[in-house]
Amino acid sequence: GQQLNQSPQSMFIQEGEDVSMNCTSSSIFNTWLWYKQEPGEGPVLLIALYKAGELTSNGRLTAQFGITRKDSFLNISASIPSDVGIYFCARSGDGGTSYGKLTFGQGTILTVHP
Amino acid sequence: EPEVTQTPSHQVTQMGQEVILRCVPISNHLYFYWYRQILGQKVEFLVSFYNNEISEKSEIFDDQFSVERPDGSNFTLKIRSTKLEDSAMYFCASSEAWYTEAFFGQGTRLTVV
Repeated sequence: GQQLNQSPQSMFIQEGEDVSMNCTSSSIFNTWLWYKQEPGEGPVLLIALYKAGELTSNGRLTAQFGITRKDSFLNISASIPSDVGIYFCARSGDGGTSYGKLTFGQGTILTVHP
Repeated sequence: EPEVTQTPSHQVTQMGQEVILRCVPISNHLYFYWYRQILGQKVEFLVSFYNNEISEKSEIFDDQFSVERPDGSNFTLKIRSTKLEDSAMYFCASSEAWYTEAFFGQGTRLTVV
């Protein structure tokens, strides 16, 4: 199956620092999604990207869809303690299959020290 | 704000027993999904459901699994004869259309002993 390689696996940062994580694939995708999962909760969509080269922001979060359509990054600026969680990249169904059928990366565990 | 709700939040069952996990999708949504997350691992797609039938399923979704929409509001996942390796968080999700975002429930933690 199509695998998403997400890095880093975990990050330990100080409050106020910026964070960057990325996701790569050997296959071309038409969508990239970034989700956050907090303990005991389901994944929550942060940012959705639909066009190669697209750069989208959501508050302190910025994500870009790589021009080759094989990668994406997520940046968090000025991190705060509530940014703690697991961040997943995901691709959704392409070619007419449901966009709700998601393939997730392995996740990046983010810990923010006050 | 509408949300996907799942019950129970935690289910403990004996190996070999049948379990039914329940979900109430967002009311105007037409596409429904089940995902699984084994502890410490990534979220994995199990099955999608539309118009009262399975539209896609993964290799994980074998004959011991089944899904049903028994009425206008519930969406269930049945595991016929649970195995130890079925222990995981199971997430239900729903979307309004095939091309729109899926919203996830809070999950049911299934523990098979």
